[in-house]
Amino acid sequence: AQSVAQPEDQVNVAEGNPLTVKCTYSVSGNPYLFWYVQYPNRGLQFLLKYITGDNLVKGSYGFEAEFNKSQTSFHLKKPSALVSDSALYFCALDRDSSYKLIFGSGTRLLVRP
Amino acid sequence: KAGVTQTPRYLIKTRGQQVTLSCSPISGHRSVSWYQQTPGQGLQFLFEYFSETQRNKGNFPGRFSGRQFSNSRSEMNVSTLELGDSALYLCASSPRKTTDTQYFGPGTRLTVL
Repeated sequence: AQSVAQPEDQVNVAEGNPLTVKCTYSVSGNPYLFWYVQYPNRGLQFLLKYITGDNLVKGSYGFEAEFNKSQTSFHLKKPSALVSDSALYFCALDRDSSYKLIFGSGTRLLVRP
Repeated sequence: KAGVTQTPRYLIKTRGQQVTLSCSPISGHRSVSWYQQTPGQGLQFLFEYFSETQRNKGNFPGRFSGRQFSNSRSEMNVSTLELGDSALYLCASSPRKTTDTQYFGPGTRLTVL
């Protein structure tokens, strides 16, 4: 069975500091990994995805994520956090022919001024 | 391009009633997926449609059903509503393949009283 884990319910960082939101996964076959962000009373906004190729993926708004096959991780990172990055972040997993996303439980990011 | 649109945005129903939610995908997208988001269960996959065919279905009771029309618009129906069906229902569209990014609509907030 495939699954996604986001071990931290909340991450607190100061503005200007680097941030990391953690994600680990379990899947048989090739993983396709995604990060989405959700602002209050909004749907999910796509940030980035890993399908194949370079393990470092760059996405929207300065975010990037590193795919690590040996550690089955796909952590989201940003070199310098902004207060406006405060939101709920979801890691998601898909695989060949499943046609569905399996989501992690979400991590609330709070960036303090 | 216009994004994914969902109607209505808010809905209040009472137990035992039924409800129909509508989703219009991004122009040219042929795959439509539905997800339920609740504080307790997080984001859970309901079903996915492509060219009017359901390709995958999540673990929800038969009260939850959906369909897709020839113009790729999709509807989901919940019959005999229960209090636990209160949730944000999200629709997502993508062009075709598993590796394609799913783009989400703003959701329909359903409250069951």
